[in-house]
Amino acid sequence: QKEVEQDPGPLSVPEGAIVSLNCTYSNSAFQYFMWYRQYSRKGPELLMYTYSSGNKEDGRFTAQVDKSSKYISLFIRDSQPSDSATYLCAMNKGSTLGRLYFGRGTQLTVWP
Amino acid sequence: DAGVTQSPTHLIKTRGQQVTLRCSPKSGHDTVSWYQQALGQGPQFIFQYYEEEERQRGNFPDRFSGHQFPNYSSELNVNALLLGDSALYLCASSLRSYGYTFGSGTRLTVV
Repeated sequence: QKEVEQDPGPLSVPEGAIVSLNCTYSNSAFQYFMWYRQYSRKGPELLMYTYSSGNKEDGRFTAQVDKSSKYISLFIRDSQPSDSATYLCAMNKGSTLGRLYFGRGTQLTVWP
Repeated sequence: DAGVTQSPTHLIKTRGQQVTLRCSPKSGHDTVSWYQQALGQGPQFIFQYYEEEERQRGNFPDRFSGHQFPNYSSELNVNALLLGDSALYLCASSLRSYGYTFGSGTRLTVV
């Protein structure tokens, strides 16, 4: 069993839709949770990070962490075609020099 | 402000050969990590360098080695290449805080 599980999709939604992306994990030592966006032929770009359980909002993006369920989510409101990319969840065990454990990514397409 | 710079962008090698990939971290960053991303998969941690020493290592064989220079730039070396080493190799830099900055990667194809 992988430490971080993420449905690879693909996920296809119309412009303006609310998108929900999710990951589950098995290691209770994870404390920092991140979402990266990766466009084709590019490196991952950090969107948001949260510490422990709770919600964090940044513009159209909301990240949620439920440590009791070992479940994290990213919501995208008013999705745009420019949001079309692969979304990767990542987490680590709380060291500032800690390695990141990634999910396999969810491929999202937002069509006009 | 330049971000993380990786070279070359693409590379084709033959099985059994050796390859060196290079990374210049974002200005001000002192920690460099390397990740391997196979097609359709998430990045997998190879190792991390800080103060010119390997600090952490993932589950990769000794064929994978690295180096960090005094200016914080880094190299990833892979010996005895296998077909399964074909992947996007990503370099990420940080300044001992969260929010690694990734480069665009080097796409290695082993034939």
